[in-house]
Amino acid sequence: KAGVTQTPRYLIKTRGQQVTLSCSPISGHRSVSWYQQTPGQGLQFLFEYFSETQRNKGNFPGRFSGRQFSNSRSEMNVSTLELGDSALYLCASSLSRDLYEQYFGPGTRLTVT
Amino acid sequence: AQSVAQPEDQVNVAEGNPLTVKCTYSVSGNPYLFWYVQYPNRGLQFLLKYITGDNLVKGSYGFEAEFNKSQTSFHLKKPSALVSDSALYFCAVRDSLYSSASKIIFGSGTRLSIRP
Repeated sequence: KAGVTQTPRYLIKTRGQQVTLSCSPISGHRSVSWYQQTPGQGLQFLFEYFSETQRNKGNFPGRFSGRQFSNSRSEMNVSTLELGDSALYLCASSLSRDLYEQYFGPGTRLTVT
Repeated sequence: AQSVAQPEDQVNVAEGNPLTVKCTYSVSGNPYLFWYVQYPNRGLQFLLKYITGDNLVKGSYGFEAEFNKSQTSFHLKKPSALVSDSALYFCAVRDSLYSSASKIIFGSGTRLSIRP
């Protein structure tokens, strides 16, 4: 069974631009969560989607948004990029809302210049 | 509010020796505790979890963790370290598995280095 895939793996953007990251969960998994990992702030929860609905949201500004499609694939979007948005963005999927066994993708490394 | 602390940024152990990576937590209700490992340029891998029941939890790759309610700790342990165990380890906690208000909180991570 294929694992969680994230595209692209690496991305370089300029301040003020917007970016969309994609996550394909493990087949059959309906829950997708997004995390931001930075050296300074560590791992921080962004949001969680289940059955196309956002179920939970972390403490991030409205520039960060996401959605989930009917096939459980998820995208997150960051608008008006800032230098501080440079991070590794991780996606994790789980079979249900029972989130304790999450399977993580390799991440998308976003660099904002 | 829930929180989790990993007091050591780095732990150095000789191969074959036992290892411990420390984690303490704070939650208002019942704690649900997890350990993840991250290898370079890769996402996190689930190691083990404590939900309820036996305080000693066994996980992947020979790791285990001991839940201690009175000390609010959930230390990760392995009896005999391998060089391949060298990685970044994260402890995480949440106070509910099902509440829409429950978020998972990760510790700052501990870098484990096993020398041959």
